[in-house]
Amino acid sequence: AQSVTQPDIHITVSEGASLELRCNYSYGATPYLFWYVQSPGQGLQLLLKYFSGDTLVQGIKGFEAEFKRSQSSFNLRKPSVHWSDAAEYFCAVGYSGAGSYQLTFGKGTKLSVIP
Amino acid sequence: DAGVIQSPRHEVTEMGQEVTLRCKPISGHDYLFWYRQTMMRGLELLIYFNNNVPIDDSGMPEDRFSAKMPNASFSTLKIQPSEPRDSAVYFCASSLEFVRDTTDTQYFGPGTRLTVL
Repeated sequence: AQSVTQPDIHITVSEGASLELRCNYSYGATPYLFWYVQSPGQGLQLLLKYFSGDTLVQGIKGFEAEFKRSQSSFNLRKPSVHWSDAAEYFCAVGYSGAGSYQLTFGKGTKLSVIP
Repeated sequence: DAGVIQSPRHEVTEMGQEVTLRCKPISGHDYLFWYRQTMMRGLELLIYFNNNVPIDDSGMPEDRFSAKMPNASFSTLKIQPSEPRDSAVYFCASSLEFVRDTTDTQYFGPGTRLTVL
């Protein structure tokens, strides 16, 4: 069965510092990978997604993620964090087959930003 | 487009009462998903529909939970009777039909925060 691990429950960074949020997945076939962000009291918003092709994916709000098959990872990065980036971030792996399509989410990483 | 619409945004009820959560997907989307989010278990897929037909309900926790999609623009998630452990945020999401070897983005609603006393 597929699974997603986000090893960091909570990360605190200073505004302007770089950010990397880790995500590891377990899935037997080629995964579809997503990063979502959830602001307090809000639903989830898609930041970026990877299906195939270039392993470095650009998303909204200046985020990028790199798919590394050898490490089963899809880490999210941002070179300079803004205070408005404080939120919870979810990595997800999607799969389809036999008419089924599902997303499995990690437990999330809460990002705090120090002014 | 208004996005995925959920109602109510907040629901407080007493144990044993029936609760109905509502969702309107994005127009033209063929897939509709119901998720539950708790601190302990994170985001869990409860059930999803394709063209109004339930495809996989293996995530529905108990028989107290039921979901319907009577038409392409409306779905309900019902809990009867409700229990305190059902307290969570329930999200609805929708997506376009996918083609084999590709997929599409799920768009989430703002969620319904359910509190069962």
